[in-house]
Amino acid sequence: DIQMTQSPSSVSASVGDRVTIACRASQGISSWLAWYQHKPGKAPKLLIYGTFSLQSGVPSRFSGSGSGTDFTLTISSLQPEDFATYFCQQTHSFPLTFGGGTKVEIK
Amino acid sequence: QVQLQESGPGLVKSSETLSLTCTVSGGSISSYYWSWIRQPPGKGLEWIGYIYYSGSTNYNPSLKSRVTISVDTSKNQFSLRLTSVTAADTAAYYCARGPDSINDLDYWGQGTLVTVSS
Repeated sequence: DIQMTQSPSSVSASVGDRVTIACRASQGISSWLAWYQHKPGKAPKLLIYGTFSLQSGVPSRFSGSGSGTDFTLTISSLQPEDFATYFCQQTHSFPLTFGGGTKVEIK
Repeated sequence: QVQLQESGPGLVKSSETLSLTCTVSGGSISSYYWSWIRQPPGKGLEWIGYIYYSGSTNYNPSLKSRVTISVDTSKNQFSLRLTSVTAADTAAYYCARGPDSINDLDYWGQGTLVTVSS
């Protein structure tokens, strides 16, 4: 199985801050990576697929980058509605696997 | 807008069978793959498996011997059965649409917590 490691596990930030979350795969996955946002009690939401592509309706302050084993999710200017847990998922091969999640908290 | 809703018992006894159903609304279950994912308390997400609307399946090898996913297209539902449960199966269980052509999961349910009691 491909192991996905996210860092940091949590980050404290203020509205307007730039936030960067890292995701590392245990082996190369090309650009086969997705990012999700999850708020407590809500359904997880697909943000980015194929490393770079924004899902329809997702604000442009979200962006993804990377290739191979190292990937990044960036929120360019954190908004109040962005406080949530973010997790990555490799879409390269089965079984599908996920990162441990990064909780973005209010500073 | 596609919506998914998990339903089923929130408490299952150890060694028994966990059964959950996911009801899809706002769209047809046909022509898509449908997955189950779980998250034990304080741990990461684990993909359990998927079913295609036609009935073909793919399971995570870690759970394959205990898992069955089935689909009922007439009810726009798909279901999960996990046998011989233990405390380690206590988790929030999510259903989702996908994997799609690039293996992501584009719609999820809000999840249901299942606790395995001894």
